[in-house]
Amino acid sequence: EVQLVQSGGGLVQPGGSLRLSCAVSGFTVGNNFMNWVRQAPGKGLEWVSLLYSGGYTNYAESVRGRFIISRDSSKNTLYLQMNSLRPEDTAVYYCLRGINGTGGYWGQGARVTVSS
Amino acid sequence: DIVMTQTPLSSPVTLGQPASISCSSSQSLVHSDGNTYLSWLQQRPGQPPRLLIYKISNRFSGVPDRFSGSGAGTDFTLKISRVEAEDVGVYYCMQGTQMKWTFGQGTKLEIK
Repeated sequence: EVQLVQSGGGLVQPGGSLRLSCAVSGFTVGNNFMNWVRQAPGKGLEWVSLLYSGGYTNYAESVRGRFIISRDSSKNTLYLQMNSLRPEDTAVYYCLRGINGTGGYWGQGARVTVSS
Repeated sequence: DIVMTQTPLSSPVTLGQPASISCSSSQSLVHSDGNTYLSWLQQRPGQPPRLLIYKISNRFSGVPDRFSGSGAGTDFTLKISRVEAEDVGVYYCMQGTQMKWTFGQGTKLEIK
């Protein structure tokens, strides 16, 4: 059974850092196309970052230079390192496994609040 | 970036009646590989999004057959043949043709 279990959300001050984790089972994170998508309170969905199996990464312009997507194949876990956080980064962050050009399997979400 | 536009943004429906949501893209979603990566997601209150339909019309595993997708190029439709209470939530169209995915604004389906 495919599962994505997220951890690492919380409250952080502007300018601070946070790392989100997404532990997967039922498939190998290193062999799959993985993404992060976020949802600000009461808003729609916004794509944040991707990681291809070959190692290529890309980011939304709003987070480029501040966020880093990575994986640890030995732990079968995906990460999102978030630095220089801003209030507008406040959102629920979802990790997901991309299949057929879309988000096939989603984590339960991790709430990130950036506030002083 | 490709802009995805959904209509309507809110859809009150009577139980057992059909519902339809439209989605248009600012440019063609036909990929160079010949596929059209248009999908539909459902987000029930308090839950993460769930994939319903991928590549225009393919139902994902476990999705009831009352959900169907159609369209081509830049115009797409999600139809629910007979709305059930569990269908309440927000529906998003999404394009995966470009590397940077983009989503529609969401359509809130509610029961009259």
